[in-house]
Parts: sequence; C-alpha cells; structure tokens
Amino acid sequence: AQSVTQLDSQVPVFEEAPVELRCNYSSSVSVYLFWYVQYPNQGLQLLLKYLSGSTLVKGINGFEAEFNKSQTSFHLRKPSVHISDTAEYFCAVRETSGSRLTFGEGTQLTVNP
Amino acid sequence: NAGVTQTPKFQVLKTGQSMTLQCAQDMNHNSMYWYRQDPGMGLRLIYYSASEGTTDKGEVPNGYNVSRLNKREFSLRLESAAPSQTSVYFCATEGAGAPRGDTQYFGPGTRLTVL
Repeated sequence: AQSVTQLDSQVPVFEEAPVELRCNYSSSVSVYLFWYVQYPNQGLQLLLKYLSGSTLVKGINGFEAEFNKSQTSFHLRKPSVHISDTAEYFCAVRETSGSRLTFGEGTQLTVNP
Repeated sequence: NAGVTQTPKFQVLKTGQSMTLQCAQDMNHNSMYWYRQDPGMGLRLIYYSASEGTTDKGEVPNGYNVSRLNKREFSLRLESAAPSQTSVYFCATEGAGAPRGDTQYFGPGTRLTVL
C-alpha cells in the first residue's frame, strides 16, 4: 500500500527567503506524485504533479519539485517566498494502476514580514 | 462555470441526528470523491465513485453512506452523527481515463460540528 510522510508539520520563514517542504513516499510500484495547496478556508488546488519524464517539475506561483526515485522523495521548493504563499501544503501519491490518492499530513507554511 | 459546489457550508448537529452533504459539479467529470480533513491527519478518503452508478469504500467509510445520483451529483449521508465525525468535508472530482495522473478539483468544503 502507498503512504506519504511530510517531514515538517510547520515551517515558518521570512519573506523573500527560500523554502523547502519535504515529502517522502512509500510504494512497491510506480507512482504519480502531487503537491496541492490549501489557502485559509478554501478547498485544495493543484500546485504541480509528476507523472513521468523530467524529474524536475515546475508548477504555479514559482514553485518546483524534484522527484528522487532512489530516495523516494518529492520535495517542494521556492527560491523566494511571499506573504501570499502562507497556506497549508499537501503532498499526495497515487500508484499508476490505482484509483486512490493518498495525502500526507500537511505542512503549514507561514511567511512572516 | 461553478466547478465543484458543496452545500451547506456550515452545519451543527446533535449526536444522533442525520444529515446529507451535497456535492455537484459542472466539469463533466466521471470520478467523484468525498474526503474528511482533520488537523494533523491530512485528507482521508471516505467514499468514491469512479463513474455514475458505482461507489466504493475508501479509508474511513464507517458511519457514512453515499449516493451517486447522476453524473453531476454525489451526496454523503451521516445516518446517526457522532462527535468523532466533527470535521471538514471536501468533495472532489476528476476526469476519467488513463494514466490516472489527472488533477482532482476540490469544492470549498463543509464544516460540520457534532455536539
């Protein structure tokens, strides 16, 4: 069975600083990987996804993530964050033959001025 | 084009009461999902419907029932609410087809409190 672990529950950073949100997954088969963002009192929306091909994936709002198969990781990065990036971020995994998406516990990113 | 809509936005129930959460989509997607979100636990799948006329249990189905009324609508029913069902409930939709790397689109959520 697939599983996802987000290694940090809260990440506080200052505006314009770089940030990395860490995600590790576990699966015995090939997977698709996703990062979703949830702004306060809203539903989730897709930031980016890895399906195949280049291991560096670029998403919306300047975020990018790198798929590392040997370390079973899919960390999310942004070189310079803004106040508006304050939100909860969820990593998710789906086996390529599966129908269910499994979410991590979430990481609350707080950007301070 | 509303996307995914959920009603109600907020609800307070007493233990033992029943209610139905409604979800509708205008995206012509085949697959629909119900999740619950609890602090520190991410989103957990309650039930899903891969297509009209089919439903399957997810990770935490106990205490819930679902109905896929038609392609657009997927409802979640709590027959006898319990305080453990206090949560935020999200409906999501996804286009069908392989590979299953489609994006899921989420509604705004229903905040349910069971006293």
